[in-house]
Amino acid sequence: QQQVKQSPQSLIVQKGGISIINCAYENTAFDYFPWYQQFPGKGPALLIAIRPDVSEKKEGRFTISFNKSAKQFSLHIMDSQPGDSATYFCAASKRSGNTPLVFGKGTRLSVIA
Amino acid sequence: EAGVVQSPRYKIIEKKQPVAFWCNPISGHNTLYWYRQNLGQGPELLIRYENEEAVDDSQLPKDRFSAERLKGVDSTLKIQPAELGDSAVYLCASMSWGSNEQFFGPGTRLTVL
Repeated sequence: QQQVKQSPQSLIVQKGGISIINCAYENTAFDYFPWYQQFPGKGPALLIAIRPDVSEKKEGRFTISFNKSAKQFSLHIMDSQPGDSATYFCAASKRSGNTPLVFGKGTRLSVIA
Repeated sequence: EAGVVQSPRYKIIEKKQPVAFWCNPISGHNTLYWYRQNLGQGPELLIRYENEEAVDDSQLPKDRFSAERLKGVDSTLKIQPAELGDSAVYLCASMSWGSNEQFFGPGTRLTVL
């Protein structure tokens, strides 16, 4: 059972454009939703995270939008740059108890000049 | 601050051979996770430690996989014997108690021939 569904699988965006990646979750007990960025040969690194008591969180060019009723959340990368080219994973977990992250399958983003 | 250290970075073995991976978490992080990341997929939990206690190992294939975290610091993940399907990247992550941010190491890429 895939608890976190991510789309699209791959994405090509022009430099300066907006990259949008979507995720949907099933477990209503999840209350922590991070996005991780992974470059080839590296481990995932936390990019930005949101809790369900807010609908949006922005950090620089990165924004998470959260829709609790639809059980969906998305990552928006504004003014996308070639250096943003990486694989992005959404994830979900419960805040309490140090529970492990459940990851989506990832989106490979390519930003072309 | 040093990040999560893993070794080796790469390992190529013949099937049926044993293999071991080592992880040194961030100093002071009580929680340690081992994840497996198959090609083109998100990481999936194998085992979680709180200090030296394995508190979630339901996804660990216990017939061939074993793990230990002596003294609640470094951890070792072992596969014996390895199978072709074990080819993947094995990621170690650590987290301090009460935080939600998991810090990942660079992973060990295992190829089983």
